[in-house]
Amino acid sequence: DTEVTQTPKHLVMGMTNKKSLKCEQHMGHRAMYWYKQKAKKPPELMFVYSYEKLSINESVPSRFSPECPNSSLLNLHLHALQPEDSALYLCASSQGVAQPQHFGDGTRLSIL
Amino acid sequence: GQQLNQSPQSMFIQEGEDVSMNCTSSSIFNTWLWYKQDPGEGPVLLIALYKAGELTSNGRLTAQFGITRKDSFLNISASIPSDVGIYFCAGPANAGGTSYGKLTFGQGTILTVHP
Repeated sequence: DTEVTQTPKHLVMGMTNKKSLKCEQHMGHRAMYWYKQKAKKPPELMFVYSYEKLSINESVPSRFSPECPNSSLLNLHLHALQPEDSALYLCASSQGVAQPQHFGDGTRLSIL
Repeated sequence: GQQLNQSPQSMFIQEGEDVSMNCTSSSIFNTWLWYKQDPGEGPVLLIALYKAGELTSNGRLTAQFGITRKDSFLNISASIPSDVGIYFCAGPANAGGTSYGKLTFGQGTILTVHP
């Protein structure tokens, strides 16, 4: 069982909907990450938070909005997504940046 | 930016065979990581390597950190059906740059094991 918990496991939404993905870890890690993954491809980094502050934004469109309410939680707010945004969204955490990352099982997102 | 070339892209083997895959880079990495991803799940960390020349085992898995710090390999001995999945090598960006905290992934090796 993964120690990084992501909810929901599956999400289907229309292009005008607003939804949020949630990620939680209780390992005391101080770095948290959002990735997007297409089938049979490696994960692509979206955002990095270090000590609850955004440290990397990989030029992600503004329809994706990350939030780190505290050191254990990471959210990804979604609004006006496009069909090409359908993918597996993975959350990861590590003790610090550049330390080995531990991944959750992801949220499978489908945009209608 | 840093890139990792992982090979082979896919492997089809019989149960009981040994497997070898590798990653190379044109730039130096200070850490090499190997992950496995099962369908419908997130990547799971198999082995982390921190020193050039380091050889580390985890059950039937063995990984080595190349002496030049530009390559790494992963071996699986006596494969079993549950070894099926996608294996990724990865390395964190080195400190001091704007990419610090970014993990570079290889393209993955898709392993199929026939019983």
